Amino acid sequence: EAGVTQFPSHSVIEKGQTVTLRCDPISGHDNLYWYRRVMGKEIKFLLHFVKESKQDESGMPNNRFLAERTGGTYSTLKVQPAELEDSGVYFCASSQARTSGSYEQYFGPGTRLTVT
Amino acid sequence: GQSLEQPSEVTAVEGAIVQINCTYQTSGFYGLSWYQQHDGGAPTFLSYNALDGLEETGRFSSFLSRSDSYGYLLLQELQMKDSASYFCAVWAMDSNYQLIWGAGTKLIIKP
Repeated sequence: EAGVTQFPSHSVIEKGQTVTLRCDPISGHDNLYWYRRVMGKEIKFLLHFVKESKQDESGMPNNRFLAERTGGTYSTLKVQPAELEDSGVYFCASSQARTSGSYEQYFGPGTRLTVT
Repeated sequence: GQSLEQPSEVTAVEGAIVQINCTYQTSGFYGLSWYQQHDGGAPTFLSYNALDGLEETGRFSSFLSRSDSYGYLLLQELQMKDSASYFCAVWAMDSNYQLIWGAGTKLIIKP
C-alpha cells in the first residue's frame, strides 16, 4: 500500500511569488490534514478535510493560504503571495474515518518551503 | 489557550532507559499520542493512550494520567536508531478532532 506522498519535496521561492503544494493521501482515507513546522517549534495544525469538505480550517494563518481537496482525493495548498514567515516544512497526513476507531495519522515526507 | 510542554532535548546512553515527559493543558481531552520523527523524515505514529495507565509495545511504552494532565514515553534498551525527535500530541475535544502538538523532544543517544 502506498503511503502519503507530497510534492514537491523542496521549494525555494521569492517573497511575493506563489507556490502550490500537493498531497496525495492513502487511498480510502477520508481525513486529510495539513500541518506546518517552523524550525525547532511545534507542529502546527492548519486544516482538516473530511472527504472534500473543510471540517476545520482554524489553523490557517491568513487568507494568503488556500487549500482544496476536489473530489475528496488529493489536496493542494496554495500560498499567494508568499511571505518570509511562511518558510517551514509543510506536512500532510491522512487517517481513516473516525468510526474505524483508529487514531493514527499517516504523514507524508513533507515539503520544505523556503521564501527568500 | 491550549499547550503541551515537553523537554526540548534529552541525552541518554545506548542500552539505557529514557523517559520523555509531556504535560498538557487543553480545554478538553480525548487522548494522548506519541510520534517519532527522524531528521528529514515524516512523523510516524508510536502510541495512543485514552485511559490512565501504561501501554507497552515492544521496547516502547506510553503512560497517561488524566487527573495530572501528564503522560510519558518510555524507551528501553536504547539503540542508536532511536535518535530522533519525539512529539506528544493531544486529541482535544473542543478542537474539532484535531491534534494539538508539543514542540518535540530531541533524543540524543551516545554510544
